[in-house]
Amino acid sequence: SYELTQPPSVSVSPGQTARITCSADALPNQYTYWYQQKPGQAPILLIYKDTERPSGIPERFSGSTSGTTVTLIISGVQAEDEADYYCQSADNNISSWVFGGGTKLTVL
Amino acid sequence: QVQLVQSGAEVKKPGASVKVSCKASGYDLTDSAMHWVRQAPGQGLEWMGWMNPHNGNTKYSQKFQGRVTLTRDTSASIAYLELSSLKSEDTAVYFCAKDGPGTSLELWGRGTLVTVSS
Repeated sequence: SYELTQPPSVSVSPGQTARITCSADALPNQYTYWYQQKPGQAPILLIYKDTERPSGIPERFSGSTSGTTVTLIISGVQAEDEADYYCQSADNNISSWVFGGGTKLTVL
Repeated sequence: QVQLVQSGAEVKKPGASVKVSCKASGYDLTDSAMHWVRQAPGQGLEWMGWMNPHNGNTKYSQKFQGRVTLTRDTSASIAYLELSSLKSEDTAVYFCAKDGPGTSLELWGRGTLVTVSS
């Protein structure tokens, strides 16, 4: 089955840039999506189709892709960005969606 | 505004079934696929399945095949998740989520806590 791998945790100081990676174990040729989840809340879509940002999402959130690894980039990290971040993709061959294990971002 | 309103928390005994509802407002339920995702305490997100509310077609994760059923009532704009043969490991928050651009989940309900305990 298709799997997405994320680092369990990333720490960064306020104002710095955080990079959270998501690696695929195969190449399904599908886009990747990113979600932010704060404690006790539902996830929010941050990035769609690898690099696109929905309206209302701050410009400091961006996405990049290289080979089988996609990266969520948070520029000028703020204290309010402390949250769990999940990547997600889909295998259209079997119509199955999959999430990465999630990364806890700590703002020092 | 566009939102998904889920039913309240449930407590069930092992072996029982649970049915969680998700009411769509601000848009036509049949316009977008609806996904269900769960999150066990302290764990990550786990995709369970999706339904096309327009025609009722469904696709389930292999892990839940045979135990999960997704249905809808288009007249009431409500999508349902039913999970049977509950085990303690099914204790989780269950989210409904509206399909978005590409294969994204662009709007989520607030979640329904299902606790399975004897």
